Amino acid sequence: EVQLVESGGDLVQPGGSLRLSCAASGFTFNSYWMSWVRQTPGKGLEWVANIKQDGSERYYVDSVKGRFIISRDNAKNSLYLQMNSLRAEDTAFYYCARDSATVTPRGNFDYWGQGTLVTVSS
Amino acid sequence: AIRMTQSPSSLSASTGDRVTITCRASQGISSYLAWYQQKPGKAPKLLIFAASTLQSGVPSRFSGSGSGTDFTLTISCLQSEDFATYYCQQYYSYPWTFGQGTKVEIK
Repeated sequence: EVQLVESGGDLVQPGGSLRLSCAASGFTFNSYWMSWVRQTPGKGLEWVANIKQDGSERYYVDSVKGRFIISRDNAKNSLYLQMNSLRAEDTAFYYCARDSATVTPRGNFDYWGQGTLVTVSS
Repeated sequence: AIRMTQSPSSLSASTGDRVTITCRASQGISSYLAWYQQKPGKAPKLLIFAASTLQSGVPSRFSGSGSGTDFTLTISCLQSEDFATYYCQQYYSYPWTFGQGTKVEIK
């Protein structure tokens, strides 16, 4: 059974940092592109970043470029999101999600974690 | 970024009804469109990709159509478990973007 389990969400002050983790199981992790997607009540769903199977390619939404870093450790079947210079507008549930195809990213997501809540507030 | 606009934002329907949700892209995206269903407190679930391809395990009462800029999701015979929020998503170009959602409520 495919499972994605996020952790690391917390309350953090503006300007602070946080590292999210996603533990994957039940599939060959190093065969898939992986993404982070966030959701807020006000802005809905927003794709944040994705990373190639070997980590050699990464893409970000403009609003997080230069502040967030997506990475992975295939030996540990884990995906990460390092979040720096956090802003109030980064407050959201953060999901890790598996791309639905191997090799090249299809761009849609067939498995999602349960989400972890990041709250940026003083 | 490509803007995805769904309509309506919400609708009320009864079990057994046929429901149609539309999604419009701000520029052509060929058939690079997916539909998701989300229930409260849960992650989104992939229903359809490539505009009209049903994801494995999704009931056949769900169907998608369209290409270019205009797309539709149809539920042919609404079931109680279908009351949820539905989102479209384009993956034609980065950044991938979602519609604002359509909430399907019980009439």
